[in-house]
Amino acid sequence: NAGVTQTPKFQVLKTGQSMTLQCAQDMNHNSMYWYRQDPGMGLRLIYYSASEGTTDKGEVPNGYNVSRLNKREFSLRLESAAPSQTSVYFCASSLDRANYGYTFGSGTRLTVV
Amino acid sequence: AQTVTQSQPEMSVQEAETVTLSCTYDTSENNYYLFWYKQPPSRQMILVIRQEAYKQQNATENRFSVNFQKAAKSFSLKISDSQLGDTAMYFCAFISLPTQGGSEKLVFGKGTKLTVNP
Repeated sequence: NAGVTQTPKFQVLKTGQSMTLQCAQDMNHNSMYWYRQDPGMGLRLIYYSASEGTTDKGEVPNGYNVSRLNKREFSLRLESAAPSQTSVYFCASSLDRANYGYTFGSGTRLTVV
Repeated sequence: AQTVTQSQPEMSVQEAETVTLSCTYDTSENNYYLFWYKQPPSRQMILVIRQEAYKQQNATENRFSVNFQKAAKSFSLKISDSQLGDTAMYFCAFISLPTQGGSEKLVFGKGTKLTVNP
C-alpha cells in the first residue's frame, strides 16, 4: 500500500521558471491538501480539494495553482517561481471526516535560486 | 480563527528520561480532534497520537501519552523512557468538524524540535 506518493523529491528552479508538483493517493480518500513547511512556521495550507472537481484556497495560496485531475491525483503548479517559494511541500489526503488526521506524502524540497 | 501554539521551539532530554511538550489551541467549536505528529530527519510526517475532544480520558500510545485539559485548551505530549529515535520535530495539530458545514482543515503549530541525548 503506497499511501500518498509525491514527485519529485527534490527540485531546483531558477526564478521565473514553472513546474508542477505531483501527488497521488491510493487510499480512495476524497480530500487532498497541499501544505508548505518553512523553518519556524510549521505547516501552512496552500490549497485543498474536499472532493473530486472542487478546489479551495488555504492560508497561503498566492503564486500557486492546483488541479484535482481525478480522485487520486492533486497537482500543485508554480507558474513563475520566486525565491520566497523555496520550501518543503507536502501533499496529504484524508477521509471525508478527517477525525483520524491526514496521511502525508514524503515531501518535495524545492529551492528557487 | 483557529490557532495552535507551541511555546517551546526546542527541547532536549536524556535517554530514558521523560519529557513533556506543550501545546495550546484556540477554538470556539465543540467538536474537534487534536493530534501530535512526529517529523524525524527523514521528513516523513508520522501520526503519534490522537485525542477526541468529547472524550475526557487522555489518549495513550505505548510510551506516548497526552494531558488534555479541555477547559484550558491545552494538549501536552508526554514521552516516557525517551529513546534516541524520538529525536524529531513534533507538531501539535487541530481539526474541527463544524456543525454548520464548511471544510475541515488541519491547523498546525510551529513545532518543537526535540533532541534525545545519549
